[in-house]
Amino acid sequence: KNQVEQSPQSLIILEGKNCTLQCNYTVSPFSNLRWYKQDTGRGPVSLTIMTFSENTKSNGRYTATLDADTKQSSLHITASQLSDSASYICVVSGEYGNKLVFGAGTILRVKS
Amino acid sequence: DGGITQSPKYLFRKEGQNVTLSCEQNLNHDAMYWYRQDPGQGLRLIYYSQIVNDFQKGDIAEGYSVSREKKESFPLTVTSAQKNPTAFYLCASSMGVNGGLAKNIQYFGAGTRLSVL
Repeated sequence: KNQVEQSPQSLIILEGKNCTLQCNYTVSPFSNLRWYKQDTGRGPVSLTIMTFSENTKSNGRYTATLDADTKQSSLHITASQLSDSASYICVVSGEYGNKLVFGAGTILRVKS
Repeated sequence: DGGITQSPKYLFRKEGQNVTLSCEQNLNHDAMYWYRQDPGQGLRLIYYSQIVNDFQKGDIAEGYSVSREKKESFPLTVTSAQKNPTAFYLCASSMGVNGGLAKNIQYFGAGTRLSVL
């Protein structure tokens, strides 16, 4: 069964600290993996997208890594800001990029 | 939320009533999608459309209907057959389902929160 599991479910960190969110998937065949940021009550916004051959992709303070052999990805946030408080969703594409499998998300709260 | 507009932001449905959620995009995208989001769960695909006048069922299409008469518009009707409609509904669009990674990035609207009275 195609699944995407994210951990932790929720996380609280202090402003300025770094954090890493995890994503494990069983989707096969694999096309690409995406990380989205979703603010409360809003639609998700794409942060990064990686194909099988890419190990890392950065977008500002966000860095995503992908290990296609172990089917794991992580999203590292550097020097967190209050505006980073959101749900971070890992999404894996299994065929041609149109059929997506969504993780339940990690809720991040950054405190001052 | 780019060029995707969902309306209304909040919607209430009475017992036995059909309600329609609007989704309009001005990105000239071919493909459009409807998802349902429930607390603690990943987004689930309701319907998607790759081209005007064509659409396919997603994983949870029962109790929902769609139309794609115009490229810009992909309305979702939640029918009375959907017994548990309370959820956050997200519409998305992408350039196309085939032919390259960039074309498959989905852009989401701001969502419609549907509740039952």
